[in-house]
Amino acid sequence: GENVEQHPSTLSVQEGDSAVIKCTYSDSASNYFPWYKQELGKRPQLIIDIRSNVGEKKDQRIAVTLNKTAKHFSLHITETQPEDSAVYFCAASESARQLTFGSGTQLTVLP
Amino acid sequence: EAGVAQSPRYKIIEKRQSVAFWCNPISGHATLYWYQQILGQGPKLLIQFQNNGVVDDSQLPKDRFSAERLKGVDSTLKIQPAKLEDSAVYLCASSPGRGKEKLFFGSGTQLSVL
Repeated sequence: GENVEQHPSTLSVQEGDSAVIKCTYSDSASNYFPWYKQELGKRPQLIIDIRSNVGEKKDQRIAVTLNKTAKHFSLHITETQPEDSAVYFCAASESARQLTFGSGTQLTVLP
Repeated sequence: EAGVAQSPRYKIIEKRQSVAFWCNPISGHATLYWYQQILGQGPKLLIQFQNNGVVDDSQLPKDRFSAERLKGVDSTLKIQPAKLEDSAVYLCASSPGRGKEKLFFGSGTQLSVL
């Protein structure tokens, strides 16, 4: 089955700086890569996703890049704000079957 | 649009007792998932339904966990008997299916087994 590794497990940045979270996956058949944000005590919410036929996707301050050859993908948050503080999970699947999540990154944005 | 509804929000039981969780997905969503999220870890898929059929239950501990989605709408996840290591948040999620993979999660049920 799919195995997704995520790092770092914790990340602290100054407000206004950029944050990068990286994930690797094992199954070359995976073609869907979402990122979820989970605030303390709340449900995970999709913030951005990318499919294997695209190398990069941006949505305002958030971007995701995918390197299929190396089997890794990354989340980039620019101009971080205190409300970006949360746990971020990457995930991978083949067409939404058995979406496998990474272990999470606790992002703290320091004012 | 109403979100994914789950109940109860919290549940405390003793080991060897039974417990059941309920989920009502977003109207029209064909695919329903149950995930287990242990503190400090990512969600782990337990079972995936497409309408009222099971698509994937390879990670469901079938000796103690069961789930059903009889009419292809709401679903129930049961644990019998519970173990200490079952303490976790149980998240239900749904997606439209038909190639639209975006998952919408419920608020979850936090289970504590004492």
